[in-house]
Amino acid sequence: QKEVEQNSGPLSVPEGAIASLNCTYSDRGSQSFFWYRQYSGKSPELIMSIYSNGDKEDGRFTAQLNKASQYVSLLIRDSQPSDSATYLCAVALSGSARQLTFGSGTQLTVLP
Amino acid sequence: DADVTQTPRNRITKTGKRIMLECSQTKGHDRMYWYRQDPGLGLRLIYYSFDVKDINKGEISDGYSVSRQAQAKFSLSLESAIPNQTALYFCATSDQGGPDTQYFGPGTRLTVL
Repeated sequence: QKEVEQNSGPLSVPEGAIASLNCTYSDRGSQSFFWYRQYSGKSPELIMSIYSNGDKEDGRFTAQLNKASQYVSLLIRDSQPSDSATYLCAVALSGSARQLTFGSGTQLTVLP
Repeated sequence: DADVTQTPRNRITKTGKRIMLECSQTKGHDRMYWYRQDPGLGLRLIYYSFDVKDINKGEISDGYSVSRQAQAKFSLSLESAIPNQTALYFCATSDQGGPDTQYFGPGTRLTVL
């Protein structure tokens, strides 16, 4: 079992819809969770971090964390074509000296 | 100016050549990382360094070596490049005293023929 798993997609949603991206992780002791956005050929860019159970909202983005179920999700409201990218989930696994382990990413396409 | 820079941005080389990729940062962060990215495999950690005297192997260090010349500089070397090292390479930094957030450089696209 991979330590951090994401649906690889591709995921397509129409413009204006809600895009839902999911990530599960294997280490119950993990404390820090991140979502990065990566445009094709570019570097990952941090869009959200979350450390506590529940929801964290930033503009059109909402990160949701459920440590009991070991999943973290990212919702993108009012999706725009400019949101089309690969979204990487990253988890700081316990005992990993604060390294991040990345999922393989979910490719999102927002259709005009 | 970018906070994390990488040189070169693109490199084509031949099997058996020695290659060095360089990373510099102006963020004042203690921690620096080297990742490679292959299609469908996400980012995999090659080496990381918590300070100039602390260098650690990551998930896929075989065939690579690193040097932390200063707090702001972290270089990755391929001693004898092979075609399966063709990938996109990223340097990243994080702040020891802060959250685990990592900030990435623009990447180096390396092709080994």
